[in-house]
Amino acid sequence: QKEVEQDPGPLSVPEGAIVSLNCTYSNSAFQYFMWYRQYSRKGPELLMYTYSSGNKEDGRFTAQVDKSSKYISLFIRDSQPSDSATYLCAMSSSSGGSYIPTFGRGTSLIVHP
Amino acid sequence: GAGVSQSPSNKVTEKGKDVELRCDPISGHTALYWYRQSLGQGLEFLIYFQGNSAPDKSGLPSDRFSAERTGGSVSTLTIQRTQQEDSAVYLCASSFTGTGGNEQFFGPGTRLTVL
Repeated sequence: QKEVEQDPGPLSVPEGAIVSLNCTYSNSAFQYFMWYRQYSRKGPELLMYTYSSGNKEDGRFTAQVDKSSKYISLFIRDSQPSDSATYLCAMSSSSGGSYIPTFGRGTSLIVHP
Repeated sequence: GAGVSQSPSNKVTEKGKDVELRCDPISGHTALYWYRQSLGQGLEFLIYFQGNSAPDKSGLPSDRFSAERTGGSVSTLTIQRTQQEDSAVYLCASSFTGTGGNEQFFGPGTRLTVL
């Protein structure tokens, strides 16, 4: 079992839909939780960052962390075709003083007009 | 300002040849990471440099892989005697520090194809 599990999709939704992307993990030491967006043939870019449990909102994006269930989510409201990309979750801990993140496989999202 | 740059953007090589991939991080960033991304897979950590500390090489898949970072800035990832399974996108990232939650800025990657 991988440390971070993420359904690769693809997830296809109509424009304007609410999108829910999720990851589960097994390492209870993870404290930092991140979502990256990666467009085709580009490097990932950080979308959201959350420390420990709770919710964080930024515009149309909301990140949720449930450490008791080892489950994190990213919600996208009013999805747009420009949101079509691969979304990677990542998480890290301070193990050994290193915060090297562990990434999920990424979920491919397609928002069609 | 300029982001992370990588060169070449694409590299096609023959099995058994050596390749060098270059990463120019954002100026002032002390931490530098190399990852490998294969089709349909997540980012696989390869190596991490933080300031003047010894690099964390725990992710390198074999002794054919090595990396160096000169003067705390530019980094080169070298793959010796390339194999077909080395074909992937190699991504470099840098961050201001290596501490938790510190945003990593990624380059566009080098797409390596080993024939």
